Amino acid sequence: AQKITQTQPGMFVQEKEAVTLDCTYDTSDPSYGLFWYKQPSSGEMIFLIYQGSYDQQNATEGRYSLNFQKARKSANLVISASQLGDSAMYFCAMREGNRDDKIIFGKGTRLHILP
Amino acid sequence: DSGVTQTPKHLITATGQRVTLRCSPRSGDLSVYWYQQSLDQGLQFLIHYYNGEERAKGNILERFSAQQFPDLHSELNLSSLELGDSALYFCASSDETGKEDGYTFGSGTRLTVV
Repeated sequence: AQKITQTQPGMFVQEKEAVTLDCTYDTSDPSYGLFWYKQPSSGEMIFLIYQGSYDQQNATEGRYSLNFQKARKSANLVISASQLGDSAMYFCAMREGNRDDKIIFGKGTRLHILP
Repeated sequence: DSGVTQTPKHLITATGQRVTLRCSPRSGDLSVYWYQQSLDQGLQFLIHYYNGEERAKGNILERFSAQQFPDLHSELNLSSLELGDSALYFCASSDETGKEDGYTFGSGTRLTVV
């Protein structure tokens, strides 16, 4: 069963607008972590933000915030004031259980920022 | 530079051949993970090593094998290569004792099988 679902294969957003990338997940483990990674056209995977299942507050890192709705099993990434350099592939990911367990990834959303 | 080093960056080889991909984890990280990224399958977990021992296996073909050496570097061996093995292969490392920041990925090895 697919554990991470990203329903938006591609998105086009005007520069300086905020953008929300959707992610839903499925797990029965009460302890899990949620991640977002960015993959620009150069190919490297860049860690953006982390949210633990027991964290009470939504995670924020600069222009990135994670809208964590536990009951809905939703972990949307919000990018404020988008920039041209934000054009990339974005992956939502999850790790169940222990910190050294594997991370599984969604299929990604390709974000295009328009000037 | 993420601190995770993968070599080579690019590799072109023929079907039926064998190749070895190398990964040096970030200093102090004991865990190494291998992932395969192809256009149709996305990012697929292959295998996880921790301090030289295999911890978990994912969708890794029998033609593929990996190991982690005492100096913690890891190698992914791909044999009897097929056209469908063409992909970007990532190595990632993690620190289980530090800040919860997920993996640190290498820049990947792009394998093209012709």
